[in-house]
Amino acid sequence: GDSVTQTEGLVTLTEGLPVMLNCTYQSTYSPFLFWYVQHLNEAPKLLLKSFTDNKRPEHQGFHATLHKSSSSFHLQKSSAQLSDSALYYCALSEWSNNRIFFGDGTQLVVKP
Amino acid sequence: DPKIIQKPKYLVAVTGSEKILICEQYLGHNAMYWYRQSAKKPLEFMFSYSYQKLMDNQTASSRFQPQSSKKNHLDLQITALKPDDSATYFCASSQEGQGNTEVFFGKGTRLTVV
Repeated sequence: GDSVTQTEGLVTLTEGLPVMLNCTYQSTYSPFLFWYVQHLNEAPKLLLKSFTDNKRPEHQGFHATLHKSSSSFHLQKSSAQLSDSALYYCALSEWSNNRIFFGDGTQLVVKP
Repeated sequence: DPKIIQKPKYLVAVTGSEKILICEQYLGHNAMYWYRQSAKKPLEFMFSYSYQKLMDNQTASSRFQPQSSKKNHLDLQITALKPDDSATYFCASSQEGQGNTEVFFGKGTRLTVV
């Protein structure tokens, strides 16, 4: 079955350092991958999603590359900001349906 | 203005009681969902509806019953409430048809069962 794995439950780093949040997936078919971000006491919202033409999605300085060979869609940013502190979910859906499988989430804490 | 309205924002219920969580979306979407978020499970899919029909149910308990009276409504009725049901319940919606469409979430109803 389809699943998403986020190995880090908590990532703590200093402002200005690079961010990398891991995401691997299992899927029967060619899935679509997403990153959702949830700030404290807010609803999750889309940060970025994979493209069918393998373009690298970018938003708010974050980017992610879909690597089908390794079944990964890691989230990266060159320089963390304090405002990036939030819960990040990697998610997957299939072409044929709208059900989205979410990973367990990674809490990112950026310190001054 | 919020495009997905969930009511109430906070809800306290007594064990054994019944509550209905309200959700309305004004995005013109055909697909609607319920997700649950608690300390035990970060974001858990519960139900999906498409054109007011149940498409997917990943909730083991029949105590949870979605109700769609209108195209843009998907309420969630919970009966015989238990303390373990305490969580934030998110309603969400998306455009039907393609798996790469964005899912939009409401602000959630935080349910506490005492």
